[in-house]
Amino acid sequence: EDKVVQSPLSLVVHEGDTVTLNCSYEVTNFRSLLWYKQEKKAPTFLFMLTSSGIEKKSGRLSSILDKKELFSILNITATQTGDSAVYLCAVEAGGGSEKLVFGKGTKLTVNP
Amino acid sequence: GAVVSQHPSWVICKSGTSVKIECRSLDFQATTMFWYRQFPKQSLMLMATSNEGSKATYEQGVEKDKFLINHASLTLSTLTVTSAHPEDSSFYICSAIGGRTSYEQYFGPGTRLTVT
Repeated sequence: EDKVVQSPLSLVVHEGDTVTLNCSYEVTNFRSLLWYKQEKKAPTFLFMLTSSGIEKKSGRLSSILDKKELFSILNITATQTGDSAVYLCAVEAGGGSEKLVFGKGTKLTVNP
Repeated sequence: GAVVSQHPSWVICKSGTSVKIECRSLDFQATTMFWYRQFPKQSLMLMATSNEGSKATYEQGVEKDKFLINHASLTLSTLTVTSAHPEDSSFYICSAIGGRTSYEQYFGPGTRLTVT
């Protein structure tokens, strides 16, 4: 059975801290790993990773994938209160279905 | 571009009634649409995958006779919750593939269903 596990489940930090969110997976026919940010409604797309060792960066957020060890991390530097959200990791399992398997998410709270 | 809308954004219905939720891709043709449900403080769970013009593929444990999915056109998919019960109360989100890239899923804003 395809599985995506995120840790920690929740995290509380102060503004300015750096955080690292973890995502490990076990899926058949891995195609890609995606990170989303979910605030009050639907998730918004952050990154898509397909190759090991290549860091993707967007402002204060960055992410990297390790296909050998089957995990990814999402880093957020100089956190701000607006970063407070649930961060979801999802893995696209192939076989033609293009479906995503989601982890339970990490709830990040950034306090001023 | 690549906007997905859902209607309604929230709905309250009585037990035993049916509710239809629409998912539309506004500026692209969606080859595939997905329906998820999300319980409070939990992650998204895929319910079914629908391709235009063919029957939806349901995930294990999802009752296809209860959650009817119709993908009538390349821009519209509907989810009908039949004979709704309070335990069907949830946040339902659709997503679509077919926008700027062939792989990125674009999510709708979600529909909050409350069954009383």
